[in-house]
This record gives sequence, structure tokens and C-alpha cells, in this order.
Amino acid sequence: DTGVSQDPRHKITKRGQNVTFRCDPISEHNRLYWYRQTLGQGPEFLTYFQNEAQLEKSRLLSDRFSAERPKGSFSTLEIQRTEQGDSAMYLCASSLVGDTTALGYGYTFGSGTRLTVV
Amino acid sequence: AQSVTQLGSHVSVSEGALVLLRCNYSSSVPPYLFWYVQYPNQGLQLLLKYTSAATLVKGINGFEAEFKKSETSFHLTKPSAHMSDAAEYFCAVSENNNDMRFGAGTRLTVKP
Repeated sequence: DTGVSQDPRHKITKRGQNVTFRCDPISEHNRLYWYRQTLGQGPEFLTYFQNEAQLEKSRLLSDRFSAERPKGSFSTLEIQRTEQGDSAMYLCASSLVGDTTALGYGYTFGSGTRLTVV
Repeated sequence: AQSVTQLGSHVSVSEGALVLLRCNYSSSVPPYLFWYVQYPNQGLQLLLKYTSAATLVKGINGFEAEFKKSETSFHLTKPSAHMSDAAEYFCAVSENNNDMRFGAGTRLTVKP
């Protein structure tokens, strides 16, 4: 397993368009998280899944945002009617809850999808 | 609610000098604490974590951090900076392992 994969790496879209990002977590990880990172800031929590269930959503996740993890494996994050303020790096991470090895309770992050809305 | 404050958005050290990046946390329960490093245009990489075992935690690349409950701190240190340590460093806290809250980050510059 090569870690957490995110696709695409970069996305440029016009304001008002819809975009969808994909995240493939580490296969044995049961938790999947989405974060947004704007320039000069730390990642901000958006939402997370345990298997296919979406258990928490941040107030940052407006009704234009939707995330799915239909089979408990990969996840998609869709932004409808994009705005310039949506321009950011969208990070996906996964973890194995209950793992007490060296990486237990820490997340493995993907390289992110950088969204630019013009 | 859990939160993290990183003191100093930018730290500059000379190669071979001590690195000290400061992190203070707020948590209503015993927290899990983490340090991550981010290189340009890349995701975050876990440096080390505190999960209520030893208070002095050793991580990768020679970094370590000490959990001090009385000071609500989890500062990151490295005895001797290397040019390759130049990056953005993030402290993070988790109260219940359901989500993680990050600080705003500290950019480390290493001068030759």
C-alpha cells in the first residue's frame, strides 16, 4: 500500500462550476477525514467517516459541500457552485481507530488537492 | 473545546543550532498531541505523538517533544538544525480521537 492518494493534485475551475475530489485511503484504515488548508493557516477540519458512516461535519461544510464514502473505501468531496473563497488545499487523511502501534491515533495524510477558483 | 496555539509564525535558526518550536494546547480532557511537518506542496507527515505514555516523546528526524501538563505545553525541539529541516510545522490536539485540531503553523527557516 502506497499511502493515501488524492486526485487530482491540482484543479482550476471557474466560479459557479461544480468540482469533485477523490481520496483513496490506506486500505486497512477505517477512518477517513477531510480538511481544508488555506495559505498560511493550519488545516481546518471538515468532516470524517468511520467506514461508510459520516459521523461529524464541521460548520465550515456549507450546504454546497457534500462528502461520501459509499463502500467504506474511497471518498469523494464535491463542491457545488464554487466561489473564490473555496480556493484552498483540500487534504484527506486516514487512520485506524484502536491501532496501538507507533502510528496509532495519528493520521496519514495525502498530498492534497489544490483548488483554484477563478 | 480543544485548541492549539503555536507561538511564533516564523522561526529562523542557523544550521547546527537548537530548534525550539512552541505549542500550547487547551483541552477539557487528557489530550492526544501531535507534531506534523509539511514541505511545500505536500501533505502533512507525522513527526511524533503523545498518547499519555512517556511525557518525553521521540520522533523521526531527531525531533522530540515534551508534554508538560502544568504548562499545557508540547514544545518541539531538535538539538542541531539541518538545512533539510526547513519546512512548516504544525502542532495538533485531539481529545477523543474523533477529529484533530491544528495550530496555525510555524515556518522554520535554517540559515547556512
